[in-house]
Amino acid sequence: NAGVTQTPKFQVLKTGQSMTLQCAQDMNHEYMSWYRQDPGMGLRLIHYSVGAGITDQGEVPNGYNVSRSTTEDFPLRLLSAAPSQTSVYFCASTDGTAYEQYFGPGTRLTVT
Amino acid sequence: DAKTTQPPSMDCAEGRAANLPCNHSTISGNEYVYWYRQIHSQGPQYIIHGLKNNETNEMASLIITEDRKSSTLILPHATLRDTAVYYCIVLIIQGAQKLVFGQGTRLTINP
Repeated sequence: NAGVTQTPKFQVLKTGQSMTLQCAQDMNHEYMSWYRQDPGMGLRLIHYSVGAGITDQGEVPNGYNVSRSTTEDFPLRLLSAAPSQTSVYFCASTDGTAYEQYFGPGTRLTVT
Repeated sequence: DAKTTQPPSMDCAEGRAANLPCNHSTISGNEYVYWYRQIHSQGPQYIIHGLKNNETNEMASLIITEDRKSSTLILPHATLRDTAVYYCIVLIIQGAQKLVFGQGTRLTINP
């Protein structure tokens, strides 16, 4: 199993550009989440999904959209990037027992 | 979810036991204690979790006090690869996919 994969690893955007961060898991997990981590801080939850077609907002959802059309994929969309969205983004998944989350390697995003 | 308090940093000698404390005095009866760690810019890694009994797995032991207001994560024989930020998180198990991370404890293992 590849586990949780994220692409790209690094991305530089200009203010106002849009892009999609990709996240995929091959463990058939129902639950998937997106977190962001700013320098020196802990992770903060952006959006999460409890199954295909079901998403909900986390702690810091503004400026981000998500959808979950399949169990495997949970893309995160930035519609109009802002410098405040410069961060490292982590995707995670877990099964219905919710004992542990598996995290991807992260995407380092810089918005200039 | 209950708030947790952890020391910002700790040091431990390689080969010794590392004991990481966590205070969670407002924990409620159905909340679990989870521990994750993050090794230098990687994604966080699950370590262990527990409700009220002490727990042990291949990575660590979790000791929860009888009143459940505090806990200690024990790495029995710390290695340099255990240098990381360790996060103590308290939440109900139905919400375990929505982790709330604090500042954690930066553990440095010294040779």
